[in-house]
Amino acid sequence: KNQVEQSPQSLIILEGKNCTLQCNYTVSPFSNLRWYKQDTGRGPVSLTIMTFSENTKSNGRYTATLDADTKQSSLHITASQLSDSASYICVVSSQYDYKLSFGAGTTVTVRA
Amino acid sequence: GAVVSQHPSWVICKSGTSVKIECRSLDFQATTMFWYRQFPKQSLMLMATSNEGSKATYEQGVEKDKFLINHASLTLSTLTVTSAHPEDSSFYICSARARSGTSSYNEQFFGPGTRLTVL
Repeated sequence: KNQVEQSPQSLIILEGKNCTLQCNYTVSPFSNLRWYKQDTGRGPVSLTIMTFSENTKSNGRYTATLDADTKQSSLHITASQLSDSASYICVVSSQYDYKLSFGAGTTVTVRA
Repeated sequence: GAVVSQHPSWVICKSGTSVKIECRSLDFQATTMFWYRQFPKQSLMLMATSNEGSKATYEQGVEKDKFLINHASLTLSTLTVTSAHPEDSSFYICSARARSGTSSYNEQFFGPGTRLTVL
């Protein structure tokens, strides 16, 4: 069964600080991994997309890494801002299935 | 590009009534649209997959007579919650997958969601 696990479940950081979110998956055969940001009451918005051959990808202050051998990914947020407060969801897709495997998300709260 | 809209953004209805939610791909043609529901502090759960011009495929445990899906065109899919009850209150999100050749990652683009509250 394809699974995606995220950690931590939630975290609180001070504005300006950095944080790293983790994602482990068992989806196989792997196609790509996406990180989404979901604000409360809104739909998910794509931050990064990585395929098997990509190790890192950045989108502004967001940097995602992928280790396809260990099936792990991380999302690093640099110099956090209050607007970064949201749920961050790791989503993995398989080569054979159009369905996406969703992680439960990490809720990030940035405080002034 | 690749914008998906939903209407309404929120709706409150009485128990027993039916509610229709629209999902539109604004600047691309979507051969496939997906409907998800999300409960508080939980991730998205796929309800059904709809392809333009054909019947929707429902996930296990989702009642097809309860959640009617119509994908009449390449830019519009509708979800109708029939005889809604309080337990149907949830956040409903659609996504659309563009036709081949428009995205190398076969990406799904998500709508902003519709908050349904059944009293």
